[in-house]
Amino acid sequence: KNEVEQSPQNLTAQEGEFITINCSYSVGISALHWLQQHPGGGIVSLFMLSSGKKKHGRLIATINIQEKHSSLHITASHPRDSAVYICALNTGNQFYFGTGTSLTVIP
Amino acid sequence: ETGVTQSPTHLIKTRGQQVTLRCSSQSGHNTVSWYQQALGQGPQFIFQYYREEENGRGNFPPRFSGLQFPNYSSELNVNALELDDSALYLCASSRDDLSPIYFGEGSWLTVV
Repeated sequence: KNEVEQSPQNLTAQEGEFITINCSYSVGISALHWLQQHPGGGIVSLFMLSSGKKKHGRLIATINIQEKHSSLHITASHPRDSAVYICALNTGNQFYFGTGTSLTVIP
Repeated sequence: ETGVTQSPTHLIKTRGQQVTLRCSSQSGHNTVSWYQQALGQGPQFIFQYYREEENGRGNFPPRFSGLQFPNYSSELNVNALELDDSALYLCASSRDDLSPIYFGEGSWLTVV
């Protein structure tokens, strides 16, 4: 059983569409991170959540601790949003990663 | 710019050799963690250090070891390299469990 399940695995959207990526988990966490990885390596941390909701520009992240579920939303998607988005759990002494969502935004 | 730098960026080693990868974190980042990412796969957690002590470990054998130093730098050492160790090795740091995490650009290791 995976500690973290992420969906969808692949996502193609037209520019301007609203996008949602989901993450469900089964372990107790101290924090949940949404990460973005572009081809070639570099991982950027988008959000760190322990409760509630955070917004940064066109990105919104929410977490429901009771339901063990988090979502990452991208409003008005743009081709430069094309990347792999990864949900990562911090349990305090372990990190668990989702399989990632490969997003392609078509102009 | 995350303030986390890793070296070297690329290296090639022969099976059976040993390698040391280095990471320099921001001042005040007491937690450092290391990850292995094979091509086309997601990151896998290797271990985490807090204030120079290992306080978490993933499913990696003992030939993967690390050190964290008082100057916020750290090392990942891998002994008896195997072909499957070829991957991107990422270092990340944060102040504590409830702080944002910052990743380095990674070190690409190829074992031949």
